[in-house]
Amino acid sequence: GAGVSQSPSNKVTEKGKDVELRCDPISGHTALYWYRQRLGQGLEFLIYFQGNSAPDKSGLPSDRFSAERTGESVSTLTIQRTQQEDSAVYLCASLAGNYGYTFGSGTRLTVV
Amino acid sequence: TQLLEQSPQFLSIQEGENLTVYCNSSSVFSSLQWYRQEPGEGPVLLVTVVTGGEVKKLKRLTFQFGDARKDSSLHITAAQPGDTGLYLCASQGGGNKLTFGTGTQLKVEL
Repeated sequence: GAGVSQSPSNKVTEKGKDVELRCDPISGHTALYWYRQRLGQGLEFLIYFQGNSAPDKSGLPSDRFSAERTGESVSTLTIQRTQQEDSAVYLCASLAGNYGYTFGSGTRLTVV
Repeated sequence: TQLLEQSPQFLSIQEGENLTVYCNSSSVFSSLQWYRQEPGEGPVLLVTVVTGGEVKKLKRLTFQFGDARKDSSLHITAAQPGDTGLYLCASQGGGNKLTFGTGTQLKVEL
């Protein structure tokens, strides 16, 4: 596609439920990143996929967070047993070459 | 982990004014990127600077990379309401992971 697509754009969930967020990167972009952005703050790195290499999970805040990516296509970020502190915008970005991320519009997650 | 401090945190100005926002780190940047983020959207890359002392211009925006590559500034001339947004600097590290600053929220009023 022309850009990075994320779905859903908004998600409201009850505390304790699991949620799954989806990212469709730009075709041909081998690297894919997930970031979290709390209200009014900068972005926190969560996880990074590069081709068929093992993902860099060093930014995941707890074992309730996991992500998968099949090849160089769609990625899903799963949050189990959501907590109120998980409320944030979750942003996905893909990268071709060494510079210039292209970000999606994000999924705004609200845990009530 | 490299820490990036941005200042000011908030800036509200009138259309036509000039402004400068800053990004500072205690350690050297390998490269630095500036992004602008509008509400409900992801950040959009404005520029990448790599060489110490480098100056890049993008229309009314001027980006400067410090000689020691530990600081950067973004200067906007004759600000317009369309410049309103969150300005983020980001340092690129291993695996091309970006470490973001906390951002400068700019509001330009008519």
